[in-house]
Amino acid sequence: GNSVTQMEGPVTLSEEAFLTINCTYTATGYPSLFWYVQYPGEGLQLLLKATKADDKGSNKGFEATYRKETTSFHLEKGSVQVSDSAVYFCALSDSGNTPLVFGKGTRLSVIA
Amino acid sequence: GAVVSQHPSWVICKSGTSVKIECRSLDFQATTMFWYRQFPKQSLMLMATSNEGSKATYEQGVEKDKFLINHASLTLSTLTVTSAHPEDSSFYICSARDRRLSETQYFGPGTRLLVL
Repeated sequence: GNSVTQMEGPVTLSEEAFLTINCTYTATGYPSLFWYVQYPGEGLQLLLKATKADDKGSNKGFEATYRKETTSFHLEKGSVQVSDSAVYFCALSDSGNTPLVFGKGTRLSVIA
Repeated sequence: GAVVSQHPSWVICKSGTSVKIECRSLDFQATTMFWYRQFPKQSLMLMATSNEGSKATYEQGVEKDKFLINHASLTLSTLTVTSAHPEDSSFYICSARDRRLSETQYFGPGTRLLVL
């Protein structure tokens, strides 16, 4: 079945540091890939997505590129801020009405 | 962007009572809604998939008589926790899939349930 594996946290970075959160997936076919962010006490917000190979999703300075050859969708940001502290979830959807498959989440803490 | 609301955001109840949580898509039609449960510092656990006008599909291990789901319209789904007990205390999150963008799910802000 489909699955998502993302790096375990917590990840602690200083402000303005470079961020990478690794995400790899297993799926049949050609899934769409997503990154969601969850701020403390809140629900999930869609951060970015990519629907086909070599697509790059980007939002708020975050980027992720759909790499079919390595089955990866790593999240990156060049300079993190304290306000980026949250839990980040990688997810995939293979089609239609099937639910998202989530990774376990990676907690990011950014310190000033 | 697409907005999903949940009500209430917080609920505290006594053991044995039933609690209803509403999930609404505010600016789009959702043929499919999903209900998740999240324990502290853990990922989301899918409880059930709800399609408008039909019975919900529950994940293995989720009691359908305990967690009643109704998806009466394209913008509203409800989850009722019947005869709640302390072990039902959790963070419940719904999501809705925009029928025009079938692969994208939008999440509500969550409902925190505490059963005393």
